Amino acid sequence: RKEVEQDPGPFNVPEGATVAFNCTYSNSASQSFFWYRQDCRKEPKLLMSVYSSGNEDGRFTAQLNRASQYISLLIRDSKLSDSATYLCVVNKAAGNKLTFGGGTRVLVKP
Amino acid sequence: ETGVTQTPRHLVMGMTNKKSLKCEQHLGHNAMYWYKQSAKKPLELMFVYNFKEQTENNSVPSRFSPECPNSSHLFLHLHTLQPEDSALYLCASSQGQSSPYNEQFFGPGTRLTVL
Repeated sequence: RKEVEQDPGPFNVPEGATVAFNCTYSNSASQSFFWYRQDCRKEPKLLMSVYSSGNEDGRFTAQLNRASQYISLLIRDSKLSDSATYLCVVNKAAGNKLTFGGGTRVLVKP
Repeated sequence: ETGVTQTPRHLVMGMTNKKSLKCEQHLGHNAMYWYKQSAKKPLELMFVYNFKEQTENNSVPSRFSPECPNSSHLFLHLHTLQPEDSALYLCASSQGQSSPYNEQFFGPGTRLTVL
């Protein structure tokens, strides 16, 4: 079983629609969780950290379910510029040793 | 833009060549990282340095040799690579390793092709 698993997609999303996708992780001792965004042939950039209580940043909402060991990302009112690969990232322990999922590709279309 | 620069951006080398990748961060961070991103595979952590000391070697073959002369610079020396080593090599930095929520900032990467 992969340490961090994601649906590779692509998720084809009409502009203005809502899209949500999950990521599962295998290590129950994982300490911190993130969503990074990676555009085609670019470096990953932090989108948001994911906290136990869930958190929201504008149109983006992240949730963490420790019992079921998954993280979710919801994008509301999708923009064309939201088209990217979204990487689920888990930090197993102190020391900032990140484990990346394979990414979920999102394509927002007019 | 992100404060982490990498050179060269593209590199083509033969299996018998020796080359080096360079990373520099201008963010005042203390930790630096090398990652490998192969086609259709997740990013894989290779090495971690904290205050110039190597704290992680993720079972990387010895044909990859990292060097961290100071907290701002990180090198990856390459020798006798294989075609399967062709990938995007990303450098990252973070404030340190004391908090599990320290953001890692990535450089643009070096796209390496081994012939």
